[in-house]
Amino acid sequence: DIVMTQTPYSLSVTPGQPASMSCKSSQSLLHTSGKTYLYWLLQKPGQSPQLLIYEASNRFSGVPERFSGSGSGTDFTLKISRVEAEDVGVYYCVHTIQFPWTFGQGTKVEIK
Amino acid sequence: EEQLVESGGGLVQPGGSLRLSCVVSGLTVNSNYMTWVRQAPGKGLEWVSLISTDGKTFYADSVRGRFIISRDNSKNRLYLQMNSLRADDSAVYYCARLTIWGQGTLVAVSS
Repeated sequence: DIVMTQTPYSLSVTPGQPASMSCKSSQSLLHTSGKTYLYWLLQKPGQSPQLLIYEASNRFSGVPERFSGSGSGTDFTLKISRVEAEDVGVYYCVHTIQFPWTFGQGTKVEIK
Repeated sequence: EEQLVESGGGLVQPGGSLRLSCVVSGLTVNSNYMTWVRQAPGKGLEWVSLISTDGKTFYADSVRGRFIISRDNSKNRLYLQMNSLRADDSAVYYCARLTIWGQGTLVAVSS
């Protein structure tokens, strides 16, 4: 199974400041199709997860431009250019390149 | 509007069975892959099972042989039959595609 490792465990960010978090996979998520099967989700408190980024760097419909995903192979980053209060929650990365899909353990973002 | 609504959760004794249902609207269940993902209380997300557009099924090792994913194309519903339930199966179960998630249904396995 592919192991997904997220760092840091938690982030405390001042509103308006940037935030960055990492996701590393134990195997490359680059498929022979050329697509990279890495996704970022946000689970806000008390809510279901919601998709932010698909295929490593594509912002999902309706996701604010302050969210961006980057990376390739086994190293990926999610950045928030200016954190807002509504961005609090747990951010998960997940791969879908093979079964079983596996999630990272999450990065919890709090507001200072 | 795409929507997923789960039901069927509840309290069950160890060794018991439950069948979860997911009403799918705004998309066709047999034209999309569909998954079940669970989240134990206070824990992270765990992929459980997937059914592909051609009907192939895939399972996490932790549930293989005990859980069965299926769909009813005429009702546009997704199901998860859970047998031989254990305490560590206790979780909120989400019907999901990565692009859309249901609200979840809580399964508690306890004597």
